[in-house]
Amino acid sequence: GAGVSQSPSNKVTEKGKDVELRCDPISGHTALYWYRQSLGQGLEFLIYFQGNSAPDKSGLPSDRFSAERTGGSVSTLTIQRTQQEDSAVYLCASSSLSPTEQYFGPGTRLTVT
Amino acid sequence: DAKTTQPPSMDCAEGRAANLPCNHSTISGNEYVYWYRQIHSQGPQYIIHGLKNNETNEMASLIITEDRKSSTLILPHATLRDTAVYYCIVRLVYNTDKLIFGTGTRLQVFP
Repeated sequence: GAGVSQSPSNKVTEKGKDVELRCDPISGHTALYWYRQSLGQGLEFLIYFQGNSAPDKSGLPSDRFSAERTGGSVSTLTIQRTQQEDSAVYLCASSSLSPTEQYFGPGTRLTVT
Repeated sequence: DAKTTQPPSMDCAEGRAANLPCNHSTISGNEYVYWYRQIHSQGPQYIIHGLKNNETNEMASLIITEDRKSSTLILPHATLRDTAVYYCIVRLVYNTDKLIFGTGTRLQVFP
């Protein structure tokens, strides 16, 4: 079946602009995650959605970052007033309740100039 | 989640077994050991997980010590495509909470 998809695959934006990154999880997966990976760095958790529960936003680095998940499926990560330090690969993953392995998308490479 | 410790890098000859160690001395009784890997420019990929018994699937084997304080991921016949960063993570199994990635082990398979 189809895996996790993300769009766009690459995004170049000017400092100060807003960007939206999209994630389409595997159909039927109730859990959805956003992570990011800066150049040469490890994976950093951002936010986690599980069903209708309130999302775990504990990893969002600032209030410029927000995410929503509509209809329990597609998710959008929004970064307002982008800064150069926001440049990274943003990865989305989804999982079911059983098994709980996370399946990752290919990521969106964001470059802020 | 308990913290894990892995060597930063390892080399392995193609066709030989790659044995990747992981220390997780503070693991609790209901936490499992998970392994993921990340091939360059791709998202992480699930490999295998286990509680206390050895596990094997089509990708790898997982050996967990009796005291559960350490484990070894074994790729029985490494290929060049196995070159990646390998992450050992401990977490509850029936739990969809976030993954906490450490720095992992960068495995380089050479011809």
